[in-house]
Amino acid sequence: GQQLNQSPQSMFIQEGEDVSMNCTSSSIFNTWLWYKQDPGEGPVLLIALYKAGELTSNGRLTAQFGITRKDSFLNISASIPSDVGIYFCAGHTGNQFYFGTGTSLTVIP
Amino acid sequence: DADVTQTPRNRITKTGKRIMLECSQTKGHDRMYWYRQDPGLGLRLIYYSFDVKDINKGEISDGYSVSRQAQAKFSLSLESAIPNQTALYFCATSDPDRATTMGYTFGSGTRLTVV
Repeated sequence: GQQLNQSPQSMFIQEGEDVSMNCTSSSIFNTWLWYKQDPGEGPVLLIALYKAGELTSNGRLTAQFGITRKDSFLNISASIPSDVGIYFCAGHTGNQFYFGTGTSLTVIP
Repeated sequence: DADVTQTPRNRITKTGKRIMLECSQTKGHDRMYWYRQDPGLGLRLIYYSFDVKDINKGEISDGYSVSRQAQAKFSLSLESAIPNQTALYFCATSDPDRATTMGYTFGSGTRLTVV
């Protein structure tokens, strides 16, 4: 299957700090999505990206579709305790999405 | 009610037992999926179904089977559970006309422990 590698695997940050994470693949994708999984729940869609180079924001979240179409980036500004969770990227090709390995975020108040 | 409901939420079972995980959705979507989540490995696709008569193997289907009983119901079975099937299992659904824009809607997961 497709391999999507996310980094970092985990992050521990102070409340108020900015966060950056990325997702890379050896394959080209037509759509990139970013999901957040709260503890004990399923992933929920945060941001969707449809074109190479696209930069999209959703509140404190900003994501970019890499120019090569093989990567994507997610930034969270001014982190708050409720940002804690696992963040997944997902790339679409063919007829399905492939998910990244996840970045676990812990925010220390 | 949740859009995608998974039962049970938690289950502990013994090696060799047969177990079924159930999923139902109220989204009216044709497409349904079963994923397995393991720490550091992300979400891996077990099986997927694009309509009631369609069943497809995913990346890690060995040791699993599925049944699509109706548009709204998609169950996952472990015929003879083994400890390395201990994981968090997610069911998801998508609208085929909007899958690439809206992604998947996930259930809350079933945590399965095989002892």
